[in-house]
Amino acid sequence: DSGVTQTPKHLITATGQRVTLRCSPRSGDLSVYWYQQSLDQGLQFLIQYYNGEERAKGNILERFSAQQFPDLHSELNLSSLELGDSALYFCASSVLGGHQETQYFGPGTRLLVL
Amino acid sequence: AQSVTQLDSQVPVFEEAPVELRCNYSSSVSVYLFWYVQYPNQGLQLLLKYLSGSTLVESINGFEAEFNKSQTSFHLRKPSVHISDTAEYFCAVSEMDTGRRALTFGSGTRLQVQP
Repeated sequence: DSGVTQTPKHLITATGQRVTLRCSPRSGDLSVYWYQQSLDQGLQFLIQYYNGEERAKGNILERFSAQQFPDLHSELNLSSLELGDSALYFCASSVLGGHQETQYFGPGTRLLVL
Repeated sequence: AQSVTQLDSQVPVFEEAPVELRCNYSSSVSVYLFWYVQYPNQGLQLLLKYLSGSTLVESINGFEAEFNKSQTSFHLRKPSVHISDTAEYFCAVSEMDTGRRALTFGSGTRLQVQP
């Protein structure tokens, strides 16, 4: 158990809908990363938050957004969903205090868009 | 920008045989290197990492990886595999000097250990 929790575990929805994925980082970790794992694109970085502020952006679509709350949990919002958004979405957390940082991953949310 | 190449998408091997999973990277800056393992229907678990110091790093379950800067490689090895090692293995890098800590992953190698 990495200490990172993600809810829900599975999500089935229809095209055009909007969903919210939730992540709670390990105790003491200030940084949260979101990654998408799909069959055609592999594992790719979406976005990073540090202590409530956006820190870095990767291949995140404009239909997707995220935020990190004062209690450090994070939410990833996916809107106007398309079939191609079906994937496993991972959250990872790290301390981001020192130079040598390790990310710890949650169990993921499996999203199926029908 | 960086890229990571895992040369083998699948590696079948018999139990107790040695295995090597290959990883090469390309980057314009110095990088940290990681191997993560994903068991079926589970998340990613850190297996081992190279941050600095000795170029040979080991995990608690018998895996080791060696950072070779001249060949830009970070191959993962185990001298004797078990059935329980069956999983997908991902090599990843992050930038050392720029402060950008997002991981760039390879496409993964599925290790299939057969009895």
